[in-house]
Amino acid sequence: GDSVTQMEGPVTLSEEAFLTINCTYTATGYPSLFWYVQYPGEGLQLLLKATKADDKGSNKGFEATYRKETTSFHLEKGSVQVSDSAVYFCSAGGTSYGKLTFGQGTILTVHP
Amino acid sequence: DTGVSQNPRHKITKRGQNVTFRCDPISEHNRLYWYRQTLGQGPEFLTYFQNEAQLEKSRLLSDRFSAERPKGSFSTLEIQRTEQGDSAMYLCASSPPFRAGNEQFFGPGTRLTVL
Repeated sequence: GDSVTQMEGPVTLSEEAFLTINCTYTATGYPSLFWYVQYPGEGLQLLLKATKADDKGSNKGFEATYRKETTSFHLEKGSVQVSDSAVYFCSAGGTSYGKLTFGQGTILTVHP
Repeated sequence: DTGVSQNPRHKITKRGQNVTFRCDPISEHNRLYWYRQTLGQGPEFLTYFQNEAQLEKSRLLSDRFSAERPKGSFSTLEIQRTEQGDSAMYLCASSPPFRAGNEQFFGPGTRLTVL
């Protein structure tokens, strides 16, 4: 079955630092790829998505590019803010009734 | 658009009791999913409905678990004879008719604690 692997956390950064969270996947077919974010005490929210190879998803300064050759979808942001502190989940889906397979999540803490 | 709602938000029960959770999806979303999330892990797929039909169930869904979506709108997830290992966050998500790249919209979850 499908699987998603995220870099182990937690990740602690200072404000304005560069962020990378690695994500790789294995899947049959060509899944859509997503990054979801979970702020403290809140539900999962879609951050960005990409539906085919070489697509770049972007939102709120975050970016991720669908790399079919390396089966990766790494999340990046050039300058993080304290308000970006949250848990980030990479997920793959769409090949079987659209169900999503999630990575284990990466806790990001940004200090002022 | 009021989003996906779930009730109750928290449930504490004693081992062996039955519990039922409710999910109200976004209106006109014909697809509905249940996931389970334990501490420090990502959500794991449990089951999927398209309209009122339950089309897929994970092997994680033991015989003690049952889900329904009787009129293709809200859904319920029942756990019978709860065990301590059932303690988790139960998430519901909905999505409009399938096309590539459809994201799922998640509710706030129901946190179950089995004592």
